[in-house]
Amino acid sequence: RKEVEQDPGPFNVPEGATVAFNCTYSNSASQSFFWYRQDCRKEPKLLMSVYSSGNEDGRFTAQLNRASQYISLLIRDSKLSDSATYLCVVVEYGNKLVFGAGTILRVKS
Amino acid sequence: NAGVTQTPKFRVLKTGQSMTLLCAQDMNHEYMYWYRQDPGMGLRLIHYSVGEGTTAKGEVPDGYNVSRLKKQNFLLGLESAAPSQTSVYFCASEEDRMGPQHFGDGTRLSIL
Repeated sequence: RKEVEQDPGPFNVPEGATVAFNCTYSNSASQSFFWYRQDCRKEPKLLMSVYSSGNEDGRFTAQLNRASQYISLLIRDSKLSDSATYLCVVVEYGNKLVFGAGTILRVKS
Repeated sequence: NAGVTQTPKFRVLKTGQSMTLLCAQDMNHEYMYWYRQDPGMGLRLIHYSVGEGTTAKGEVPDGYNVSRLKKQNFLLGLESAAPSQTSVYFCASEEDRMGPQHFGDGTRLSIL
């Protein structure tokens, strides 16, 4: 089993739609969680951290479910500019960062 | 703000050639990392450094060497390039080891 797993997609959604991605992790001692965004042929950029209580940043909401060992990212009112690959990142015990392979989102007009 | 800068951005090598990729950061970060990213896979850690003069192996270190002679620079070397090392290489730095990491814009390396 991979340490961090994501549905590769692609998720094809119309503008204005709400879309959600999940990411599962295998190490129950994982400490920190992040969502990164990566545009085609560009570097990953931090989108948001994921806190235990859940957190929101504009149209983006991140949640953590420790019992089921997954994190989620919800995007409301999708924009064309949201099209990208979304990477889940888990910091395991011992400060080891593990990246998921990413979920592709395509927002179409 | 320069952040993390990688050079070169693109390179084509022949099998057996050597080269060095340079990563420079101006954020005074202690921790620096080299990753490779291949299609359908997450970023995989090659080597990392927890401070000037220190290096350590990551998940896929074979065929690569690194050096951190200055805090701001982290060099990745390929002594004898192989086609399996064709990839996109990203350097990252962070202030502490709990994330997040700041990435350079990548080096696209092709080995023929």
